[in-house]
Amino acid sequence: QQPVQSPQAVILREGEDAVINCSSSKALYSVHWYRQKHGEAPVFLMILLKGGEQKGHEKISASFNEKKQQSSLYLTASQLSYSGTYFCGTERAGNQFYFGTGTSLTVIP
Amino acid sequence: DARVTQTPRHKVTEMGQEVTMRCQPILGHNTVFWYRQTMMQGLELLAYFRNRAPLDDSGMPKDRFSAEMPDATLATLKIQPSEPRDSAVYFCASGLPGARTDTQYFGPGTRLTVL
Repeated sequence: QQPVQSPQAVILREGEDAVINCSSSKALYSVHWYRQKHGEAPVFLMILLKGGEQKGHEKISASFNEKKQQSSLYLTASQLSYSGTYFCGTERAGNQFYFGTGTSLTVIP
Repeated sequence: DARVTQTPRHKVTEMGQEVTMRCQPILGHNTVFWYRQTMMQGLELLAYFRNRAPLDDSGMPKDRFSAEMPDATLATLKIQPSEPRDSAVYFCASGLPGARTDTQYFGPGTRLTVL
């Protein structure tokens, strides 16, 4: 039921790029992305509602391939502030909503 | 700076006791979400409301959990009776449906420990 995220963890140097993937075994209506820092509440990043749609938020963007039931989050020119755990949330038929397994991202100077 | 507020921030209780968590959504937001986060299960959506009506609470154990919105400024999540496995951080989030970005704002969470 739970979408699978990859990689589980990634370490980047400032300025490097990263891609986080979220894959579901079921058809999806929408995908949400969140970032959570240790000891804090998640922060909602964006929602993708249409297949093939790509959205941007500062230097963070995402795509949603409805046919493949996958979404990817793209972080470009990473900053120290990007460190945290990233979760995807997937919405399926019948108002079913599941969070992904999480990806720990660490950006080092 | 509008924020979602949650009370209490921390709650320690004994098994069998009733627990009530409260959430004040951002003024004007008409969608409210309740989430639970544990190390073992990760993040889970328990319930969400739109215009005070429950749209989905399928993620919530019905026998002991209940969620309500008595008015537009207050959402409550109750556990009765509480069990040790309910120990978790419970987040409330509010938002405006239809917007394409930043549609959910999270509160700071209530850390619940059931002994």
